Amino acid sequence: DTGVSQDPRHKITKRGQNVTFRCDPISEHNRLYWYRQTLGQGPEFLTYFQNEAQLEKSRLLSDRFSAERPKGSFSTLEIQRTEQGDSAMYLCASSLVGVGNQPQHFGDGTRLSIL
Amino acid sequence: AQSVTQLDSHVSVSEGTPVLLRCNYSSSYSPSLFWYVQHPNKGLQLLLKYTSAATLVKGINGFEAEFKKSETSFHLTKPSAHMSDAAEYFCVVRDGGATNKLIFGTGTLLAVQP
Repeated sequence: DTGVSQDPRHKITKRGQNVTFRCDPISEHNRLYWYRQTLGQGPEFLTYFQNEAQLEKSRLLSDRFSAERPKGSFSTLEIQRTEQGDSAMYLCASSLVGVGNQPQHFGDGTRLSIL
Repeated sequence: AQSVTQLDSHVSVSEGTPVLLRCNYSSSYSPSLFWYVQHPNKGLQLLLKYTSAATLVKGINGFEAEFKKSETSFHLTKPSAHMSDAAEYFCVVRDGGATNKLIFGTGTLLAVQP
């Protein structure tokens, strides 16, 4: 079990630029979740995938955000035209649904700083 | 809607003394509850989970939590704190329905004094 891997760990960019993050879940996990954590707060749900299908998006996920999981394995989260308010830790989690009551396993996150 | 409330934003204990981190939940049905720990600049690690089996749940690193329906509480305890326990702790409830998304409390920052 190699765990959930996220890349990059840190991203600093200027306001208005586009950024893309990658998440590699635990290999046999069919569910993949994205959360956002701002300073001093708990993580908040953004979106999730069951295999390659994106099944729910939070109201937090504005039109500037898009997520994909093209082959049901890794996922990418893209933010277009970044704003100061996008500065946060973006966390990815994966789980196996359909076999008991499995918890979500988290990666170490990507910390985004907007200048 | 389901939610959790962590009653203390900061807790400070001395090494070797007991730890108590408090959490109350709100749920219209039997909830799935978790405690996660987050060390600085790291992701979340699962400490323990409650899924309606035993009300006293044992987790990793000597932590345990007791589900009390009458008090709608799920407090996290450890008999003796270690310096390495210093971190942020999140009480979490799993949303019902197909999503299974997690709903986090605001966190409790645990400081352990030597």
